[in-house]
Amino acid sequence: GAGVSQSPRYKVAKRGQDVALRCDPISGHVSLFWYQQALGQGPEFLTYFQNEAQLDKSGLPSDRFFAERPEGSVSTLKIQRTQQEDSAVYLCASSQGPGVHTIYFGEGSWLTVV
Amino acid sequence: GIQVEQSPPDLILQEGANSTLRCNFSDSVNNLQWFHQNPWGQLINLFYIPSGTKQNGRLSATTVATERYSLLYISSSQTTDSGVYFCAVDSGGSNYKLTFGKGTLLTVNP
Repeated sequence: GAGVSQSPRYKVAKRGQDVALRCDPISGHVSLFWYQQALGQGPEFLTYFQNEAQLDKSGLPSDRFFAERPEGSVSTLKIQRTQQEDSAVYLCASSQGPGVHTIYFGEGSWLTVV
Repeated sequence: GIQVEQSPPDLILQEGANSTLRCNFSDSVNNLQWFHQNPWGQLINLFYIPSGTKQNGRLSATTVATERYSLLYISSSQTTDSGVYFCAVDSGGSNYKLTFGKGTLLTVNP
């Protein structure tokens, strides 16, 4: 596609529910990133993929968070047993090369846990 | 880890005015980028500027790496410039992990 596409755009989950957020990067982009943005804050790094390899997952807040990119294109961020503090915007981004020199962000998935 | 501070936190302008946004960072960086987050939440990359000066239309940016700061200039502001401006730097020398500041919320009134 023309840009990074994320779905769903908005998700309301009950506490304890599992959620899955999808990211379609720009076609051919090697690098894929997930960031979490709380209200009024800047985005915070969650994880980084180069093709299908997850090279860094140091930003994932707990073992309830899991990300995958099995075929090196589409990625899914899964949150198990959601908690209220998981409420945030989850941003996906991609770049053509191995770094962030030219990085393109999607519009985000807005997650509210009630 | 590296600290990124942006100022001012909020800025209100009348259309046509000029403004300067500042980003201070606590350690040397190899990568510094400015982003604009529009009211719908999308982050748009404005400049990749680890050092020097760049211009793109009404926007320009300058980074003085030795003094650990960057400035974003907006001239002849328009209502469409409203949104949050973020500065982000590479974290710990990594070429893939960005640390963002808290942003400057810009409101341009007609």
